[in-house]
Amino acid sequence: VQLVQSGAEVKKPGASVKVSCRTAGYTFYTYYVHWVRQAPGQGLEWMGIINPSGGSTTYAQKFQGRVTMTRDTSTSTVYMYLSSLRFEDTAVYYCARGDGGYNYHYFDYWGQGSLVTVSP
Amino acid sequence: SSELTQDPAVSVALGQTVRITCQGDSLRSYYASWYQQKPGQAPVLVIYDKNDRPSGIPNRFSGSSSGNTASLTITRAQAEDEADYYCHSRDNNDNHLFGTGTKVTVL
Repeated sequence: VQLVQSGAEVKKPGASVKVSCRTAGYTFYTYYVHWVRQAPGQGLEWMGIINPSGGSTTYAQKFQGRVTMTRDTSTSTVYMYLSSLRFEDTAVYYCARGDGGYNYHYFDYWGQGSLVTVSP
Repeated sequence: SSELTQDPAVSVALGQTVRITCQGDSLRSYYASWYQQKPGQAPVLVIYDKNDRPSGIPNRFSGSSSGNTASLTITRAQAEDEADYYCHSRDNNDNHLFGTGTKVTVL
């Protein structure tokens, strides 16, 4: 199983960024994919989840209106698009495969992370 | 509340046992998962469900849960266990929460 993310980005405030996460080694449709970010020196922050099977999404309230998660089934790739970037969006963005049951969930494989820097 | 609270830092002598706790209302309904993160690296899953370990995770890592508290125990801690540890759970609104993180120092 592999999740391979796109490279580092530098963006200006107010711009948008699109981070990709190409998956391999498993059936794309059968596992959810989450996005998690980590600001410098800070903890992990969950952003949202996409179901690759139908494309349905759930976003953390903090990011609603600014984040969009999509998938391309032909390339087994998921995307995270974040708009109206602010300095505080500077962070490493991770995709992670989700699995679990009715009362537990976990992230068993992670991408290597994509650094997004928001700078004037 | 929709938060998971962890102690910021703990230390353990080499070869001794350390317990890391995670508190939050969501843990009354959902099992926690635990992640180890070393500097500059992506998190690694160490415990999930009641007390399951992914392949390759040493059996000195174990998990438990009671009420609104989940715990990760490292028995016979090794130098390579020095890292940040995060708990995680989902909540009743299909959101996912991470704990505030605990830095473990092995002395």
